[in-house]
Amino acid sequence: EVQVVESGGGLVQPGGSLRLSCAVSGFSFSNYWMRWARQAPGKGLEWVANIKEDGSTTQYADSVRGRFTISRDNAKNSLFLQMNNLRAEDTAVYSCARERTGDGAFDIWGLGTMVTVSS
Amino acid sequence: DIQMTQSPSTLSASIGDRVTITCRASQSISNWLAWYQQKPGKAPKLLVYKVSLLETGVPSRFSGSGSGTEFTLTISSLQPDDFGTYYCQHFHYWTFGQGTKVEIK
Repeated sequence: EVQVVESGGGLVQPGGSLRLSCAVSGFSFSNYWMRWARQAPGKGLEWVANIKEDGSTTQYADSVRGRFTISRDNAKNSLFLQMNNLRAEDTAVYSCARERTGDGAFDIWGLGTMVTVSS
Repeated sequence: DIQMTQSPSTLSASIGDRVTITCRASQSISNWLAWYQQKPGKAPKLLVYKVSLLETGVPSRFSGSGSGTEFTLTISSLQPDDFGTYYCQHFHYWTFGQGTKVEIK
């Protein structure tokens, strides 16, 4: 059974840091690009970051570039998002998703973990 | 950047109705367009990819079409389980539309 489970969310003050994790099972994690996306309360979906299968290439949305870092550990089937200098507008549910090879679709998603940035 | 604009933002329809959601791109795009359904508290579910290809397990009442700058998701006969918010997505910076909330009358 395919499982994608995010963790690490919580309440953090503006300017603070948080590290999110995504544990994957049920598919060959090292064979896929992986993504982070987020959804602010009552808002739509927003792509945040991507990482290539081997971790050699990363891409970021303009809204997080320079503050967030995506990484992965293929030996542990895990995806990470290091978030620094957090702002109130970063408050959202953060989900990891798999990009299916060949068509770019996000075919597997986790339920997400909530990040709240507030003083 | 390419912007994706969905319409309508909300629609209310009866069981059995034909429902169409439109997604317009700010410039002509390739066929790298997908549609997702999301229900409250749940992860998004992939419905259609590459404009018109139905994801495995998705009911055949769902279909996608379009080209250039205008794309549509059609539900041929709305069912009770089809409530939720629908998003289009293009693979230029993985941009999502703002969503269309479908309510059952």
